[in-house]
Amino acid sequence: QKEVEQNSGPLSVPEGAIASLNCTYSDRVSQSFFWYRQYSGKSPELIMSIYSNGDKEDGRFTAQLNKASQYVSLLIRDSQPSDSATYLCAVSGGSNYKLTFGKGTLLTVNP
Amino acid sequence: NAGVTQTPKFQVLKTGQSMTLQCAQDMNHNSMYWYRQDPGMGLRLIYYSASEGTTDKGEVPNGYNVSRLNKREFSLRLESAAPSQTSVYFCASGGQGATGELFFGEGSRLTVL
Repeated sequence: QKEVEQNSGPLSVPEGAIASLNCTYSDRVSQSFFWYRQYSGKSPELIMSIYSNGDKEDGRFTAQLNKASQYVSLLIRDSQPSDSATYLCAVSGGSNYKLTFGKGTLLTVNP
Repeated sequence: NAGVTQTPKFQVLKTGQSMTLQCAQDMNHNSMYWYRQDPGMGLRLIYYSASEGTTDKGEVPNGYNVSRLNKREFSLRLESAAPSQTSVYFCASGGQGATGELFFGEGSRLTVL
C-alpha cells in the first residue's frame, strides 16, 4: 500500500515569510510528484510537478525532490493571504495511472 | 472551455436509494478518475479509467460502479447508498502520459441519511 504522509498542520506564517510544506512517500518506485492547492470548499488544482531530483522553481513556488530520502517539499516565498489553503502532495509511480494523495497540510498566511 | 463538469453538485439520499454522478470533460483526455474526499482522510481513489473502454478499481471501490460511456464521459453509480458514502466526490481527467497532472471538477456533495 503506497503511503504519502504530510503534516496536517495547521501551518501558520506571517505575510511575506517563507512557508515550507513537507511530504514523505513510502514507495521507492514512485516517479512523479505533484503539489495541489485546494481552497476551502473548492476542488484541487495543480500548482507544481517535479520528476527528477533537485529543485524546480515557478514564480514564488519551489518544489524540491530527494528520491534517496523519499522526500518532497514545497516552498512558498513571500507568502500572501491568498496562499491560505490546503496543500496536497501527490505521488504516482511507474506505468499505472493511480495517483496517491496525502491528507494535506492547511496553510494560513496571516496579514 | 468548461474543463471537467460534474452533476449534480448537491444531492441528499436516503439509505438504500440509488443514484448516478455524471462527469464529462472537453479536454480530449484519455484518463478519468473518481475520488472521494472525507475530513481527515484526504482524497481517495474510487475507480479510474485509463482510456475509453477500460475501468479499474482504486483504493475504495466497494459500493460503487462506474461506466466509461465514451471518451468524454465517466459516470459513478451508487446502487444502494449507505451513510458511509456521505462525502464530497470529485471527478478528474488527465492527458496521455501525464498521469499526475489532473484537472478536477467542482465536486459533488452527497449526503446519505
